[in-house]
Amino acid sequence: GESVGLHLPTLSVQEGDNSIINCAYSNSASDYFIWYKQESGKGPQFIIDIRSNMDKRQGQRVTVLLNKTVKHLSLQIAATQPGDSAVYFCAENKPYSGTYKYIFGTGTRLKVLA
Amino acid sequence: ETGVTQTPRHLVMGMTNKKSLKCEQHLGHNAMYWYKQSAKKPLELMFVYNFKEQTENNSVPSRFSPECPNSSHLFLHLHTLQPEDSALYLCASSQIGGGNTEAFFGQGTRLTVV
Repeated sequence: GESVGLHLPTLSVQEGDNSIINCAYSNSASDYFIWYKQESGKGPQFIIDIRSNMDKRQGQRVTVLLNKTVKHLSLQIAATQPGDSAVYFCAENKPYSGTYKYIFGTGTRLKVLA
Repeated sequence: ETGVTQTPRHLVMGMTNKKSLKCEQHLGHNAMYWYKQSAKKPLELMFVYNFKEQTENNSVPSRFSPECPNSSHLFLHLHTLQPEDSALYLCASSQIGGGNTEAFFGQGTRLTVV
């Protein structure tokens, strides 16, 4: 995770355990949310998305939960593996001037312990 | 292979130099973005281009000058930068219209200003 260097919130989990990464968003007009994973030396990679008319979406080993009442998003990773070690960002897709812009949270560094 | 290619991967430049970052997307998208990722702040949106038209200039200093000659190419021209401009510069693209979709990121250009 050297690509960011911020004092990021860090979540340390044992290999094989489940991970839960949380994110708060600010804009009620946002209707689409995305989780990205960023490994050291790479750009952010798409993991999973969810639209505002849903409260849960599942992918392979990942689940995203959306609570619009409290503007909260979470990413759950099942059976965390060493390859899951990275910085995770949530992003909200905000309509703007006929297009969209993606606004990112500060990120959480996930460390998987062997 | 993300479909978004950035060159160069690394760049060291003096404060009096002029250089350009290049981004090319092979995904047929109609929107492109420049983001800055630094040690001091999370991912910051700099510029948005939608159908080659700039729709967002997020209070970026004029020493950064974007250029979007067509929907597949995006440049960031740099001149008289400051050391605090050292960061990872990320290009992204997305397809606007027909519903929200995720942004795809390149690997970034690691810029060091000396």
